[in-house]
Amino acid sequence: QKEVEQDPGPLSVPEGAIVSLNCTYSNSAFQYFMWYRQYSRKGPELLMYTYSSGNKEDGRFTAQVDKSSKYISLFIRDSQPSDSATYLCAMSARGNNRLAFGKGNQVVVIP
Amino acid sequence: DSGVTQTPKHLITATGQRVTLRCSPRSGDLSVYWYQQSLDQGLQFLIQYYNGEERAKGNILERFSAQQFPDLHSELNLSSLELGDSALYFCASTRGQGAPLNTEAFFGQGTRLTVV
Repeated sequence: QKEVEQDPGPLSVPEGAIVSLNCTYSNSAFQYFMWYRQYSRKGPELLMYTYSSGNKEDGRFTAQVDKSSKYISLFIRDSQPSDSATYLCAMSARGNNRLAFGKGNQVVVIP
Repeated sequence: DSGVTQTPKHLITATGQRVTLRCSPRSGDLSVYWYQQSLDQGLQFLIQYYNGEERAKGNILERFSAQQFPDLHSELNLSSLELGDSALYFCASTRGQGAPLNTEAFFGQGTRLTVV
């Protein structure tokens, strides 16, 4: 079993729809959970960061962490064509030097 | 612009050859990470340096090596290249090391390596 699982299947949604992305993980030591966004031909950039369980909201973006289920989610409300990108989840344990990434979900928002 | 500079942007080379990828971290960042990104494997952590010292190793092949210099720039050396080494190679930098200090990593634009 991979440490971080993210179904890489592409997702196409109409503009204004809610986008729902998720990752599961196996390492119970993970406490820091991140979502990175990667535009085509660019490097990933940090979108959201959550510590431990709970929800975090930033504008149209909401990140949720359920440590008991080892499951994290990212929701994008009122999706825009500019949200078209690949979204990668990433996780780390306290004091650990590496980030473990999921494979990424390609999202296409159709105008 | 993340502030992380990677050169070259593209590299095409033949099997068996050796190449060097270069990374200049964001000003003030002491930690540099190297990642390999391919369609089937996603973003794989290779190696991390902090202030000139190797601090963490991931799925880095023995044919690959890296170092971080006193001016904090880093180089990733790939030798005896194989077709399967074709991928995007990213460098990222952070101020500190160890979560939570490394949760916001700033990535360069990557070097696209094609081995023919």
